[in-house]
Amino acid sequence: GAVVSQHPSRVICKSGTSVKIECRSLDFQATTMFWYRQFPKQSLMLMATSNEGSKATYEQGVEKDKFLINHASLTLSTLTVTSAHPEDSSFYICSAGPGGKDTQYFGPGTRLTVL
Amino acid sequence: AQRVTQPEKLLSVFKGAPVELKCNYSYSGSPELFWYVQYSRQRLQLLLRHISRESIKGFTADLNKGETSFHLKKPFAQEEDSAMYYCAPRDNYGQNFVFGPGTRLSVLP
Repeated sequence: GAVVSQHPSRVICKSGTSVKIECRSLDFQATTMFWYRQFPKQSLMLMATSNEGSKATYEQGVEKDKFLINHASLTLSTLTVTSAHPEDSSFYICSAGPGGKDTQYFGPGTRLTVL
Repeated sequence: AQRVTQPEKLLSVFKGAPVELKCNYSYSGSPELFWYVQYSRQRLQLLLRHISRESIKGFTADLNKGETSFHLKKPFAQEEDSAMYYCAPRDNYGQNFVFGPGTRLSVLP
């Protein structure tokens, strides 16, 4: 099946710094990618929809200036957590699909710890 | 509002016993229903979708529009079925999902 990768898998940073997380579709093109966040022992919550060539669509309650999304190409979307704080510590997961209503494939996730 | 409930946070059964993971949804329109599974230390992966009407790893799920349910069933649980299971509807307009809270299935030897 299709593969979605994320980099890094784990990152620890100091409070106030910015962290960039990459999501790549390895064997297909994705005009749309999704970013989720998952707190410990909780379900996935959609943060935003990343659209290639246009602005991302953010879910209610998600600060677009805090979580910057750039979908630079058909195989890469990046999520930048700006001025990270300890409450941003979470597991961030992206998903992508070949298009239309096809199955979404999930990345392995990135665990962010902000000290 | 879109809502998905999975009433059991944890479900423990013995190997060989039947298992049913419940899912109820409140969704506008006619959503597609999916079950995703996450095994320990692995990424989330699709288990099955209602439109396929297939059986994957012995699991089946029937969409009951009257009861707005999409319960996941397996007649004989195996230890390797132990994982986190998420019910996830998706509307017909987009590709994003609304994930249920998840049920952790633990199959005991």
